[in-house]
Amino acid sequence: QSVLTQPPSVSGAPGQRVTISCTGSSSNIGATYDVHWYQQLPGTAPKLLIYGNSNRPSGVPDRFSGSKSGTSASLAITGLQAEDEADYYCQSYDTSLSGWVFGGGTNLTVL
Amino acid sequence: QLQLQESGPGLVKPSETLSLTCTVSGGSISSNSHYWGWIRQPPAKGLEWIGSIYYRGNTYYNPSLKSRVTLSVDTSKNQFSLNLSSVTAADTAVYYCARLVVVTATNNWFDPWGQGILVTVSS
Repeated sequence: QSVLTQPPSVSGAPGQRVTISCTGSSSNIGATYDVHWYQQLPGTAPKLLIYGNSNRPSGVPDRFSGSKSGTSASLAITGLQAEDEADYYCQSYDTSLSGWVFGGGTNLTVL
Repeated sequence: QLQLQESGPGLVKPSETLSLTCTVSGGSISSNSHYWGWIRQPPAKGLEWIGSIYYRGNTYYNPSLKSRVTLSVDTSKNQFSLNLSSVTAADTAVYYCARLVVVTATNNWFDPWGQGILVTVSS
């Protein structure tokens, strides 16, 4: 049971928009800790996708965007492409655990 | 460009100690604004933070693993290491090392990651 809750899977057709939610609590996201997102392509290591709730590292397409409100955060992907098929993880910090926490991950399928 | 590389045995016997090293290249491990971390991923499962260490030796451990985990750092070799004792099959996972970027107390993330190393616990 992950501290941050994500839907196990989402899907969308090429060109469509999908969102992935990340729900936390008052001891992590709600405690003003920022949320970060990672993309894990099959067989590879996770790669930073969004940091500080809504910032994209250099090289990440602007089709990817992040937001945070209250105890939740969201990752939005517009103009879906086949290459976006991957697992996506959110990450934050939890004061109750005194450590860094990840969501359970969401598998994105491009139909 | 900073790169991290995990190394160590890919097979560990139950009840023994898993030992891995992460070698940092393209930058110094002795950075004031960075910590260093270990994350693992059991087969077909999600990511689990194991622990983090600062170059001066300050350590932070996942409470669920704290009794079995020891992190250490060797600044002369630009390396940091993970020891996980009394392993069982449940510790079988891909182990990643990563840099923990600390901008503020509430804003810190892992980037970049090593490629990962699969460690299987089996007799």
